[in-house]
Amino acid sequence: EAGVVQSPRYKIIEKKQPVAFWCNPISGHNTLYWYLQNLGQGPELLIRYENEEAVDDSQLPKDRFSAERLKGVDSTLKIQPAELGDSAVYLCASSLDRNNEQFFGPGTRLTVL
Amino acid sequence: GENVEQHPSTLSVQEGDSAVIKCTYSDSASNYFPWYKQELGKRPQLIIDIRSNVGEKKDQRIAVTLNKTAKHFSLHITETQPEDSAVYFCAASTGSWGKLQFGAGTQVVVTP
Repeated sequence: EAGVVQSPRYKIIEKKQPVAFWCNPISGHNTLYWYLQNLGQGPELLIRYENEEAVDDSQLPKDRFSAERLKGVDSTLKIQPAELGDSAVYLCASSLDRNNEQFFGPGTRLTVL
Repeated sequence: GENVEQHPSTLSVQEGDSAVIKCTYSDSASNYFPWYKQELGKRPQLIIDIRSNVGEKKDQRIAVTLNKTAKHFSLHITETQPEDSAVYFCAASTGSWGKLQFGAGTQVVVTP
């Protein structure tokens, strides 16, 4: 079974530039999550989707972050404009539904210069 | 909201010894407690989880205990091996398991 796929794995951009991350969940998984992981910290939930509906986005900085999950399958997370403090690993995870184990992708390491 | 504290932040053990990591949570309504292992540069992977209606769960060399009264849960690794070296994260969830609150992680180093 293929795991959660994320791309790119690494991204280096200058501040104020836009950036986008892509995630393809495990086939059949209805719930998709985007997490932010700072160095030496645990993952922090940014947004959770149930199919194509964002059901929990309270931690998403909506002035610069946006996400979408069209057709309830893969998802993109965008930052515009990026700030120095956005440097982190962005993890995507998926689960069959909200009451099942979350499987994580390899993450995208973002460096903002 | 839920707050999860994890101790210690680093743990060095000799191969073959046991390792114990402790987490406390704030929300008495939390009912699901997974533990994730993350090797350097890799994705977090679930190693064991426990639900609030169970006090202890074992899987080979790994066990988790839960004390709902004290609001803390612990990960126990016995007969540690070098491949157990990684960062371990505890998490807690209230109601919908989708909303996990993670601890800050414990760096475990197993020396041969």
